[in-house]
Amino acid sequence: AQTVTQSQPEMSVQEAETVTLSCTYDTSESDYYLFWYKQPPSRQMILVIRQEAYKQQNATENRFSVNFQKAAKSFSLKISDSQLGDAAMYFCAYRSVNAGNNRKLIWGLGTSLAVNP
Amino acid sequence: AAGVIQSPRHLIKEKRETATLKCYPIPRHDTVYWYQQGPGQDPQFLISFYEKMQSDKGSIPDRFSAQQFSDYHSELNMSSLELGDSALYFCASSFSNNSPLHFGNGTRLTVT
Repeated sequence: AQTVTQSQPEMSVQEAETVTLSCTYDTSESDYYLFWYKQPPSRQMILVIRQEAYKQQNATENRFSVNFQKAAKSFSLKISDSQLGDAAMYFCAYRSVNAGNNRKLIWGLGTSLAVNP
Repeated sequence: AAGVIQSPRHLIKEKRETATLKCYPIPRHDTVYWYQQGPGQDPQFLISFYEKMQSDKGSIPDRFSAQQFSDYHSELNMSSLELGDSALYFCASSFSNNSPLHFGNGTRLTVT
């Protein structure tokens, strides 16, 4: 069974600085998807970025980028030029590409990010 | 762009009552998921439907049932509610394995 681990329950960053949230996972599959979701105080679940395991290039979405290390099973999220609106709970998630079943997301426990003005 | 729509946004019920949560997926999305998120917890997968058939089952209590209708909307029925059922219930939808899950805004259920 796949597992996702976020070892940092809480992080903080100064506004305009850069922060990296870590995520490791365990799987025996060779192809899968990885996601970072953001959950602000409103409790919405917002997709931040996704990575396809077969792509070596790290995904980037504006100020958000990932460092995907497939061999190490690591998928960290880097937030550049942090803004107050980035303050949220960040969840790392894994998804199998197995078309048979298990399309559900497997979640880490989340990292609460505080952005200090 | 259309998003996943959940109703109601908030629901207050008493113990032993019944609740029905509704979810309208993004058009053309073929899979619907239900998640339960307790305070300070990660979302727990309950159940999913692919093309109106149950595709996967997680930690859904026997008191809960769900279905997906011909118009692809889904309903989560919760009976004999308990205090511990108080949580945020998310519905999400996706199209095939290539697309990420898109979440609705959730239904906050409070059981008193």
